Amino acid sequence: AQSVTQPDARVTVSEGASLQLRCKYSYFGTPYLFWYVQYPRQGLQLLLKYYPGDPVVQGVNGFEAEFSKSNSSFHLRKASVHWSDWAVYFCAVPAGSFNKLTFGAGTRLAVCP
Amino acid sequence: DMKVTQMPRYLIKRMGENVLLECGQDMSHETMYWYRQDPGLGLQLIYISYDVDSNSEGDIPKGYRVSRKKREHFSLILDSAKTNQTSVYFCASSLRGEVFFGKGTRLTVV
Repeated sequence: AQSVTQPDARVTVSEGASLQLRCKYSYFGTPYLFWYVQYPRQGLQLLLKYYPGDPVVQGVNGFEAEFSKSNSSFHLRKASVHWSDWAVYFCAVPAGSFNKLTFGAGTRLAVCP
Repeated sequence: DMKVTQMPRYLIKRMGENVLLECGQDMSHETMYWYRQDPGLGLQLIYISYDVDSNSEGDIPKGYRVSRKKREHFSLILDSAKTNQTSVYFCASSLRGEVFFGKGTRLTVV
């Protein structure tokens, strides 16, 4: 069955440091993949999306993600984290149909001054 | 400005009471969803609606039902709420794979 796993429940980084949030997927074929961000007391917002093609996709606010078929991964990266990036990040993959997403459990990012 | 609006934002109900959560969207999206979010579990799909009166069960439909009589409105109903239905509920709509979420309703069943 299609699924995503986010192995890190919580990640803490210093402001200005680089960031990688991990996502592993299970999918028959080549998937579409998404990263969403949830700021405190908000709903989820789309950060970036991967459609089969260039393995590196750019998102908003300096985020990017790299798709790897060999590693079944879709890790999220940012070169320099800002305090406003403090949020929960969710990886997602369509499950059964394009309109039905399965979300990972989320990674909570904390940013230290 | 594209928006999904949920009402109310916070709700406290007693066990056994009926609960109505309402959701509206101003983007004329055909597909709408209800999710619940619990710590450590991510988002779980309760129901998906493909258009007016075209609703399908998601992964955890038990204890819930939905109503969609207009494209822009999608309601979640809990008949006789249970304490294990305490959660944050999110409504969403989608277009071409991009999902737009409301800000959520925090429901506490006591």
